[in-house]
Amino acid sequence: DGGITQSPKYLFRKEGQNVTLSCEQNLNHDAMYWYRQDPGQGLRLIYYSQIVNDFQKGDIAEGYSVSREKKESFPLTVTSAQKNPTAFYLCASMASGTRGFSGANVLTFGAGSRLTVL
Amino acid sequence: DAKTTQPNSMESNEEEPVHLPCNHSTISGTDYIHWYRQLPSQGPEYVIHGLTSNVNNRMASLAIAEDRKSSTLILHRATLRDAAVYYCILRPANTGNQFYFGTGTSLTVIP
Repeated sequence: DGGITQSPKYLFRKEGQNVTLSCEQNLNHDAMYWYRQDPGQGLRLIYYSQIVNDFQKGDIAEGYSVSREKKESFPLTVTSAQKNPTAFYLCASMASGTRGFSGANVLTFGAGSRLTVL
Repeated sequence: DAKTTQPNSMESNEEEPVHLPCNHSTISGTDYIHWYRQLPSQGPEYVIHGLTSNVNNRMASLAIAEDRKSSTLILHRATLRDAAVYYCILRPANTGNQFYFGTGTSLTVIP
């Protein structure tokens, strides 16, 4: 079955360490996204990518970095510059239509990765 | 970002219909209305979307007001598995990539 795989599901980090969250999709989707969710809050966009080797900052990109070397992969690195990294991280992807992206395109999400800083 | 307003929480009895409202008074003519839901400790899942006309699928129905300034997600028979946070999102047709999730409506289903 096609879908999005995020790993690890749970991750613990010491302060000052960088960590990388994996996101892989086999849906052949063009766009990929990273969101952060804090307890009781909605989702906030960190980074997104419409095409390989290109990505854009979202609303809360500071302290995070991404790469998009392959269509199916969009890893997120949480750097030591992120002051409050404990959160639930969600990866998503979206297919484009024959005329590119439109308001009718929908997101498919992974199961999430929960990062805790000790 | 396109704004939507939803009640923070709602309750429903099991096997009864549920109407989840969403206000989007600043909607533009090309904005699509999307609904997603998120079960505890899981990623959100797509429920339904529409532009102007009412929409039905196997999960739910979407009723869109004639002036498009509000919409209602209808779950025809609530089950315990429908307990989740429901997000109403406006998606502009021409930006291509922005989904703005608010805090949604937390639905409790009472057995």
